[in-house]
Amino acid sequence: GENVEQHPSTLSVQEGDSAVIKCTYSDSASNYFPWYKQELGKRPQLIIDIRSNVGEKKDQQIAVTLNKTAKHFSLHITETQPEDSAVYFCAASKSSNTGKLIFGQGTTLQVKP
Amino acid sequence: EAGVTQFPSHSVIEKGQTVTLRCDPISGHDNLYWYRRVMGKEIKFLLHFVKESKQDESGMPNNRFLAERTGGTYSTLKVQPAELEDSGVYFCASSLAGTDTQYFGPGTRLTVL
Repeated sequence: GENVEQHPSTLSVQEGDSAVIKCTYSDSASNYFPWYKQELGKRPQLIIDIRSNVGEKKDQQIAVTLNKTAKHFSLHITETQPEDSAVYFCAASKSSNTGKLIFGQGTTLQVKP
Repeated sequence: EAGVTQFPSHSVIEKGQTVTLRCDPISGHDNLYWYRRVMGKEIKFLLHFVKESKQDESGMPNNRFLAERTGGTYSTLKVQPAELEDSGVYFCASSLAGTDTQYFGPGTRLTVL
């Protein structure tokens, strides 16, 4: 069935370092890949997304890359700050279908000051 | 503009009892989704409404779960009777017709004792 694997499950970096979270999806028909950030006790917030017709997208300190052939996509956070500490979820969906999101297991990112 | 709201924020019930969760989507959003996150695992899709119609309920665990969206506005998710394994955080999300971006509510944390 549809599946998204996300790694690592936890990630600890020093302030100012970069962080990379990787996801692999199983359904080759997936064409929309959002990333959500969930701070403690708050709702998941969309931080960036990418569609299958694009290989890379950047928004300030965050970027996402997509390799359709390998069915991999990654989130890159540069110059991390303590406020970047949160749980990050990747997801995949087939936007031509119902649009349901298939999520990865989540990555708990800790940025140490 | 108000975001997606959910009520209650927390619910603690005993096994065998009934609980009803409510979700108010962003005004004008035809798509409404229910998801659940159990014990630090991935966020899992439960079902999808388009207006008042169930578009996809493939993620509903069993017939103890009943979702409704009468009138195509707010939605309720009833669990009857609740079991221990139903504990988790129930999220609602909404999106505009024809768009991919889903906006999440803060979730309802359900604890079944």
